[in-house]
Amino acid sequence: DAKTTQPNSMESNEEEPVHLPCNHSTISGTDYIHWYRQLPSQGPEYVIHGLTSNVNNRMASLAIAEDRKSSTLILHRATLRDAAVYYCILRNYGGSQGNLIFGKGTKLSVKP
Amino acid sequence: AAGVIQSPRHLIKEKRETATLKCYPIPRHDTVYWYQQGPGQDPQFLISFYEKMQSDKGSIPDRFSAQQFSDYHSELNMSSLELGDSALYFCASSRTGVYSGNTIYFGEGSWLTVV
Repeated sequence: DAKTTQPNSMESNEEEPVHLPCNHSTISGTDYIHWYRQLPSQGPEYVIHGLTSNVNNRMASLAIAEDRKSSTLILHRATLRDAAVYYCILRNYGGSQGNLIFGKGTKLSVKP
Repeated sequence: AAGVIQSPRHLIKEKRETATLKCYPIPRHDTVYWYQQGPGQDPQFLISFYEKMQSDKGSIPDRFSAQQFSDYHSELNMSSLELGDSALYFCASSRTGVYSGNTIYFGEGSWLTVV
C-alpha cells in the first residue's frame, strides 16, 4: 500500500486557519486521498477526500498538488472542537472494498 | 441520520474467556469493517465483509473470527482472550457503488478490557 507521511503534531490558535500537510510520493493513479480525524475516545470521522482536483466541503478544503505527491487539509477557522488526530490515507477502490489503512496521523492542538 | 451502532459499549472479560461484539451498519450499507485500537495506538484494520462474504483480512489474530449476517449486521468473536486484547474496537460501514466514494463511517466503538 502506498504510504503517507505527516508531521506528528501541530498547534494552532482558535479562529485561525490551519494547514495540515501530507506527503504521498508513491501514490498511484487510482488512489484517492482521504482525510479522517479522530477525537479522543471517539471513532474516526470522515473529513474530506479527493482524487486530482481541490475539494471543498462544510468541514474543510483539500488542496492537492499537481503531481499528486502531496496534499494539504485546510481548516479555515480552527475551533477547540477541531483538536484531534488527523489522518491522511490513500484509498484504492479497485479489488477489495478499499479498506482504510491508518498510519501515524497529526495531532492538532488548538489554543484558545 | 442513523449511524453505525455497536454493542456493547463496554465489556470486561477475564483472560481465556470469550467475547462477542456486535455491529449494526448504517441502513443500506453493504460493507462492514472491523478495527482494533490499542491504548495510544492508531486504528488497525482487522477484517471486512461485503455482501456477507469476507472481502479483506488484516491483522486479525487466529483466535478472532467474524461474520456478516443476512441483515448485514456483523459480529466479532474473540476467544482465549489475552491481556493484550484490551482495546477499543471499531466497526465501520460503507455502501459500495455510490459515487460519493463510498465513504466509510465509524461507530463509537466497544471498549474491551481483559483482566
